[in-house]
Amino acid sequence: GDSVTQTEGQVTVSESKSLIINCTYSATSIAYPNLFWYVRYPGEGLQLLLKVITAGQKGSSRGFEATYNKETTSFHLQKASVQESDSAVYYCALSDRGNNYAQGLTFGLGTRVSVFP
Amino acid sequence: GALVYQYPRRTICKSGTSMRMECQAVGFQATSVAWYRQSPQKTFELIALSTVNSAIKYEQNFTQEKFPISHPNLSFSSMTVLNAYLEDRGLYLCGARDPGSSAETLYFGSGTRLTVL
Repeated sequence: GDSVTQTEGQVTVSESKSLIINCTYSATSIAYPNLFWYVRYPGEGLQLLLKVITAGQKGSSRGFEATYNKETTSFHLQKASVQESDSAVYYCALSDRGNNYAQGLTFGLGTRVSVFP
Repeated sequence: GALVYQYPRRTICKSGTSMRMECQAVGFQATSVAWYRQSPQKTFELIALSTVNSAIKYEQNFTQEKFPISHPNLSFSSMTVLNAYLEDRGLYLCGARDPGSSAETLYFGSGTRLTVL
């Protein structure tokens, strides 16, 4: 089946420093799935951070960027300068659009980001 | 904007009893609702996908007999955990699809955290 592998565990970074969370994917039934980053802030539900549906394109939101790289099957999340408010758990996910969403989203394990002043 | 309300936020039930959680979409018509569970130390697992005018599709290891779902209209869905036991504890999320958005975007509620005593 489909799978998503992302930087595991916790990442600690100082405020104003850069952040990268690695994500690679494997979609067994379709070559180019839709790719997403979701974020969960403390005490809140999952929120869509950004999405990219076309290979080769870049998505961006709230200073975060991720590029859909079909050669390396990756969708790494980056931010040049993080803030304390970026402390959250980030989830990489894919959907198999070939089945018109019949299979829902497949999530990675999540990466907890802690930003210190 | 598209919002999804999920309640209760937290619930505690005795082993062998049942509990029901509800999900309400506001601002859009939820043609599909996906229910997920995040067990301790795991990522989000899809329990089932409910699409209006179609049968509810349960993933492997999840059954209607254990997790009955109701999706009576385009703004509401509920799921019950029957005969809950320790292995059912975790965070349950409902995600509703906004057909007006691209890439099968799911909007999630804040989750229901289930503790089983």
